[in-house]
Amino acid sequence: DSGVTQTPKHLITATGQRVTLRCSPRSGDLSVYWYQQSLDQGLQFLIQYYNGEERAKGNILERFSAQQFPDLHSELNLSSLELGDSALYFCASSVGGGPLWQEQFFGPGTRLTVL
Amino acid sequence: GESVGLHLPTLSVQEGDNSIINCAYSNSASDYFIWYKQESGKGPQFIIDIRSNMDKRQGQRVTVLLNKTVKHLSLQIAATQPGDSAVYFCAENSGGSNYKLTFGKGTLLTVNP
Repeated sequence: DSGVTQTPKHLITATGQRVTLRCSPRSGDLSVYWYQQSLDQGLQFLIQYYNGEERAKGNILERFSAQQFPDLHSELNLSSLELGDSALYFCASSVGGGPLWQEQFFGPGTRLTVL
Repeated sequence: GESVGLHLPTLSVQEGDNSIINCAYSNSASDYFIWYKQESGKGPQFIIDIRSNMDKRQGQRVTVLLNKTVKHLSLQIAATQPGDSAVYFCAENSGGSNYKLTFGKGTLLTVNP
């Protein structure tokens, strides 16, 4: 158990819908990272937040957005869902946010299925 | 991005043997490399890392080798155990102080008892 929690474990929805995935980092960690893992694209970095502010952006679509709240939990919002958004979404957390590398601890993931 | 999933490279070894998993990275400017292990149904787990100013780093039963000349990274697992069975990913950070992590194609390691 990494100490990172994600809810829900599974989510099934329809195309065009909007969903919110939630992540609680390890106690004391200030950074949260979101990743998408799909069969065709592999594991891809989406976005990083550090202490409530966006720190780095990866391959995140405009239909997706994230935020980190004062209590440091984070939410990833996915809208106008398409079949291709079906994937595992992982959250990870680390103590700091850079510039030196910080070991990341991954949560168990949320499996999103878009029908 | 690179493909994972149904067409993962696979490596099958006998328990007790040493395993070597290879990874070719893409960006010669990458300065930090990490190996992750992902067991079925779980998130990736950090194994070992190495900075670009090193060519070898050892951990407990694991060694990472970095060859910058040919942009190649390898993970060696000594005395492989059934619990080592998982998908192994290498990752490179090409953003310097700005986080820009790119994951390679995973390798499925199966350890036969």
